[in-house]
Amino acid sequence: GIQVEQSPPDLILQEGANSTLRCNFSDSVNNLQWFHQNPWGQLINLFYIPSGTKQNGRLSATTVATERYSLLYISSSQTTDSGVYFCAVGGWNDYKLSFGAGTTVTVRA
Amino acid sequence: KAGVTQTPRYLIKTRGQQVTLSCSPISGHRSVSWYQQTPGQGLQFLFEYFSETQRNKGNFPGRFSGRQFSNSRSEMNVSTLELGDSALYLCASSDPGVVDTQYFGPGTRLTVL
Repeated sequence: GIQVEQSPPDLILQEGANSTLRCNFSDSVNNLQWFHQNPWGQLINLFYIPSGTKQNGRLSATTVATERYSLLYISSSQTTDSGVYFCAVGGWNDYKLSFGAGTTVTVRA
Repeated sequence: KAGVTQTPRYLIKTRGQQVTLSCSPISGHRSVSWYQQTPGQGLQFLFEYFSETQRNKGNFPGRFSGRQFSNSRSEMNVSTLELGDSALYLCASSDPGVVDTQYFGPGTRLTVL
């Protein structure tokens, strides 16, 4: 299956700081999603972004499919941004997502 | 539209028992996938169903099984529970004919004693 590596594993930020999370994957994909897992365990969709760039408020994401990586940017971080961020990818016709190990973000007031 | 719903939300079982978890997808979504999340192994794919057909299965023992009904609702069953089956079980639905975005439910937290 497709291997997914996320970095860094942990990130501690001061409120108001900006940060970049990275996701590398080992093969071509037709699905790439970023999720935020809330304290109760639910995975919240942030972006569906198999290629290109998208922005949603203080969050933005870029996927360079030809180079097999994706970046998630958090700007002006807030304490509510704390949690685990997952990158997940899907290959062509494999009908599943392969998840990275996640990046745990802690935003301090 | 209502989101993906999963029942029950919490479950406590003992070793050797069996358990059935239920997932109702977003209305109109025909694909349902199941994932297991543990601290040690992270998020792992269990299986995916589309129009009542299993299209892919993860690397789990045969004790893990699933099915999908004609209304797209899905169930997964784990027989002869082991301590290591304690996990958060997450269900996701999508509408592959439109965009293959996976939407996840709140999960069922299973504890095996």
